[in-house]
Formats: sequence, structure tokens, C-alpha cells
Amino acid sequence: EDQVTQSPEALRLQEGESSSLNCSYTVSGLRGLFWYRQDPGKGPEFLFTLYSAGEEKEKERLKATLTKKESFLHITAPKPEDSATYLCAVQAWYSSASKIIFGSGTRLSIRP
Amino acid sequence: DVKVTQSSRYLVKRTGEKVFLECVQDMDHENMFWYRQDPGLGLRLIYFSYDVKMKEKGDIPEGYSVSREKKERFSLILESASTNQTSMYLCASSFRTSGVNEQFFGPGTRLTVL
Repeated sequence: EDQVTQSPEALRLQEGESSSLNCSYTVSGLRGLFWYRQDPGKGPEFLFTLYSAGEEKEKERLKATLTKKESFLHITAPKPEDSATYLCAVQAWYSSASKIIFGSGTRLSIRP
Repeated sequence: DVKVTQSSRYLVKRTGEKVFLECVQDMDHENMFWYRQDPGLGLRLIYFSYDVKMKEKGDIPEGYSVSREKKERFSLILESASTNQTSMYLCASSFRTSGVNEQFFGPGTRLTVL
């Protein structure tokens, strides 16, 4: 069964303490992997698309990487405003149509 | 920038009422989606549409219907609202290509059914 698993479920860091969030996936016909940021009570905000293993994308303190089985979202020297839930999703291709499968998210909290 | 808007941020309805949630996107996207998001269950796809007047069931279509009369507008209808439909409803849109299609989300509608 195709699935996307994110870990940890929740992560609390001190301001400036770097860490990584994990997204592992088991899908056939991977087309792309997406990262989103979601603030409480709001819709997910698109961050990155990764297309193939070895690819990296950066935005401010965030860097996303992709391997054949998982993706990491590295956060360097985080600030309290980086607190949010981070969602991972994959687009898989099935015969004649594609489907997007979301993980359940990692709740990131940064303490000042 | 892609903009997806939803008609209400918060909505309170009574059991048995008919509820309309509207979504509008301004990026000429072919695909539009309705999800619900609940704690511990993540995002679940209710319905999607890849063209005007076209619709496809997602993973949890029971109790919902949709309408897409114009390309930019996609409506979710709860024919007879029930308390188990209390949730955050998210609309999204994307291009329809054979490649990779990022979805862009609206701000969400928090629906409470009493």
C-alpha cells in the first residue's frame, strides 16, 4: 500500500538549535515530493517540490533533500516564527492518473 | 502569486442544514480539490475535479457532493449536515499536466455542526 510517514510527530527545539524532519515514503511511480508549512487554523503553504533523488532545495533556514526512500527537511538555526506543522506529500503515477498522498505532519515548536 | 480563496473562515450550522462551501482560484488551474483535515487523521480527499462539470470521488465522498460550473469555482455541498462533518475544510487547485502538479491551498473553512 502506498503511504507517506512523517517523523517525529512533534518536535520542540530551542531557538538556534538545528534539526531535521523526516518523510519516508513507499509509492510506486514517484513523480515528485512536496513540502508544505501549515500554521494553526490556516491552509498549507507550499514550500518546495523535489523531483528526483539527490536533489536539494533551499529557502531561508530550510533545506529539503530527497533520496529514493525518504526526504529530509533540515532547519538551521530556527527562530520562533518557524513554529508550524510541516507536511510532506508525494505525487505518484498510476497507469493513467496521478494521486497525491499526504503525510500526517510534524508539529515543530521553537522556544525563544 | 497563486490565490485560492474560500467563502468563509468560520461557519456554524445545525444538524440537517444544507451547507455550501465555495472556493475560487485565480490561476486558471484545471484541477480543483476538496479535503477535510482532522486531528490525527491528516488530510483526506473528498472530491476533485479536473475540468468544468467533471468530478471524481476521493477517499471519503459519502455525505458530500460538489459542483463545478466555471473553471475558477468549485463548491462543496453538505446535503444534510451532521455532527461528524465538523472539521476544517480545505480547497486546493493545481495545473493538470502529465508532470508534477503542486497543489495550492486556500485558507480553510472551520465548520462546526451543532
